[in-house]
Amino acid sequence: DVKVTQSSRYLVKRTGEKVFLECVQDMDHENMFWYRQDPGLGLRLIYFSYDVKMKEKGDIPEGYSVSREKKERFSLILESASTNQTSMYLCASSGGSNTEAFFGQGTRLTVV
Amino acid sequence: DQQVKQNSPSLSVQEGRISILNCDYTNSMFDYFLWYKKYPAEGPTFLISISSIKDKNEDGRFTVFLNKSAKHLSLHIVPSQPGDSAVYFCAASMRGGSARQLTFGSGTQLTVLP
Repeated sequence: DVKVTQSSRYLVKRTGEKVFLECVQDMDHENMFWYRQDPGLGLRLIYFSYDVKMKEKGDIPEGYSVSREKKERFSLILESASTNQTSMYLCASSGGSNTEAFFGQGTRLTVV
Repeated sequence: DQQVKQNSPSLSVQEGRISILNCDYTNSMFDYFLWYKKYPAEGPTFLISISSIKDKNEDGRFTVFLNKSAKHLSLHIVPSQPGDSAVYFCAASMRGGSARQLTFGSGTQLTVLP
């Protein structure tokens, strides 16, 4: 079974803090994604990566950056957390030409 | 500009009856469609998919129908069970680009009443 693991289920951070969300997948997938889920808005793509050290902006990249130093790990960075970044963050991975993406359990981030 | 729309935020159905969840899309370049199911405090799990070369795909109690001319897809669950109560997201993907990204709808909360 594909496993996508996010480092934290719940996080509370203060406004202005630098926040790291970590994601690891064990299926040797080329593609990894970060989404955020907000009520009434569904899942919106923040950033994705199709190879080590390669990244592309999604639909809502402002205020975020990412890092992919190893194939299995994809990190989302909030450079200076703000209250409007309070959300559920979901990491996903997919392999080759397959479209189906496998999701982690999510990180509920609250910025106070 | 939402390219994938789920216009019903919620749906309630009696156990044993059919649940029909709907999804519309605007981008004619989408060629692959998926449904995901999500329980609270968990990540979405893949349910069923359909390629644009087909108009129906079935997997057990779940059937997805695609009407390309209307840019509409639907998920049928028969018979519905209380454990099906969850948020259902439809998603779409297109060829091209560096990776197959999924564009999601806003979700429909399905409640199956015992």
